[in-house]
Amino acid sequence: DTEVTQTPKHLVMGMTNKKSLKCEQHMGHRAMYWYKQKAKKPPELMFVYSYEKLSINESVPSRFSPECPNSSLLNLHLHALQPEDSALYLCASNPWEGAGTDTQYFGPGTRLTVL
Amino acid sequence: LAKTTQPISMDSYEGQEVNITCSHNNIATNDYITWYQQFPSQGPRFIIQGYKTKVTNEVASLFIPADRKSSTLSLPRVSLSDTAVYYCLVGWDAGNMLTFGGGTRLMVKP
Repeated sequence: DTEVTQTPKHLVMGMTNKKSLKCEQHMGHRAMYWYKQKAKKPPELMFVYSYEKLSINESVPSRFSPECPNSSLLNLHLHALQPEDSALYLCASNPWEGAGTDTQYFGPGTRLTVL
Repeated sequence: LAKTTQPISMDSYEGQEVNITCSHNNIATNDYITWYQQFPSQGPRFIIQGYKTKVTNEVASLFIPADRKSSTLSLPRVSLSDTAVYYCLVGWDAGNMLTFGGGTRLMVKP
């Protein structure tokens, strides 16, 4: 299995809702990432988990809460979002073998719309 | 982190060779150069990676001059399906190869 899967594919939520995005990989990768991408912009890093521990948090608002239950699974819990949070949310994984040749494997993304 | 600069957009025609250049003037000694391709509403996909000189795979070639301050992604004989955004990233390990530059939007015309 050489892919990163994300669910749901699309999500529409109100500003008072609580929802979660899910990401899964079974490649044995030790690092997993959340990115946010607005239309016609590059992906922006949100969080990095390495060895199931949060290693990078790019000053993301607390209404986004990441969780890494195990080495294969990454969640992003959403609460009280704003319409400007509407975007494509991308998950990625990386072997994290400490070599310059490490590359990221991206999932297809979740298209989030906040009403 | 090495900052990268790429052309915002490029146009080409089917069957032509396309060269996209990325500038990374403050690349560090240990940094690798990685290129990704992204189609609309999909995640980026790894294309090619290199450290110096030339790397070739079944999809593309990557040319890196001796000073490594730039790199050129070469796509041979493009087709309509190569229309996408191409990103150049520079870094030395998974922990810092994380910042996407603006990318180059390639449009291939019939």
